[in-house]
Amino acid sequence: SAVISQKPSRDICQRGTSLTIQCQVDSQVTMMFWYRQQPGQSLTLIATANQGSEATYESGFVIDKFPISRPNLTFSTLTVSNMSPEDSSIYLCSVEDRPAQYFGPGTRLLVL
Amino acid sequence: EDKVVQSPLSLVVHEGDTVTLNCSYEVTNFRSLLWYKQEKKAPTFLFMLTSSGIEKKSGRLSSILDKKELFSILNITATQTGDSAVYLCAVAHQAGTALIFGKGTTLSVSS
Repeated sequence: SAVISQKPSRDICQRGTSLTIQCQVDSQVTMMFWYRQQPGQSLTLIATANQGSEATYESGFVIDKFPISRPNLTFSTLTVSNMSPEDSSIYLCSVEDRPAQYFGPGTRLLVL
Repeated sequence: EDKVVQSPLSLVVHEGDTVTLNCSYEVTNFRSLLWYKQEKKAPTFLFMLTSSGIEKKSGRLSSILDKKELFSILNITATQTGDSAVYLCAVAHQAGTALIFGKGTTLSVSS
């Protein structure tokens, strides 16, 4: 299965600032997914990132708040912009490595 | 609307007990059902099920899918404290799309 790394592992940020999360995969993958898991909740998809095209966002998530880059088939970034305490969550990237989907180790974000 | 429902939401058992976790789904164009174990941040993959009636087994864990009744179960026998985690059920409805997750079952195994 694909090996996925994320940076940073955790961070504490002040409201109004932005944080960029990096996701690196050890093999080329077509689709990468970004999920959010708020405290005590299950995983919610933020967007799907294809290389060479704009990310597709789920209802409730917008590009201005969560801009995503996908410069090549092994790397993606998610930025959480103009953060508020409600953005405190675990952010996870995921890839489909047939037949299953695998997750990175996650980024735990706390916004004060 | 696609949905995945897990039950129970939480469960407390003693070491050595056997537990059964449930997952029902209503998803268009079903492709597969996946089980994950989440201990800290990252969900770790346990099983993927695509066909009815075929049990997947890994050590003390096993899972089966019923595509007619639209549910799956995850069994854990002889539970250990290390099995304490959130178990997530997710469904994929076509290739290349993201997963639809249930709320998870929090399992606590006491010694």
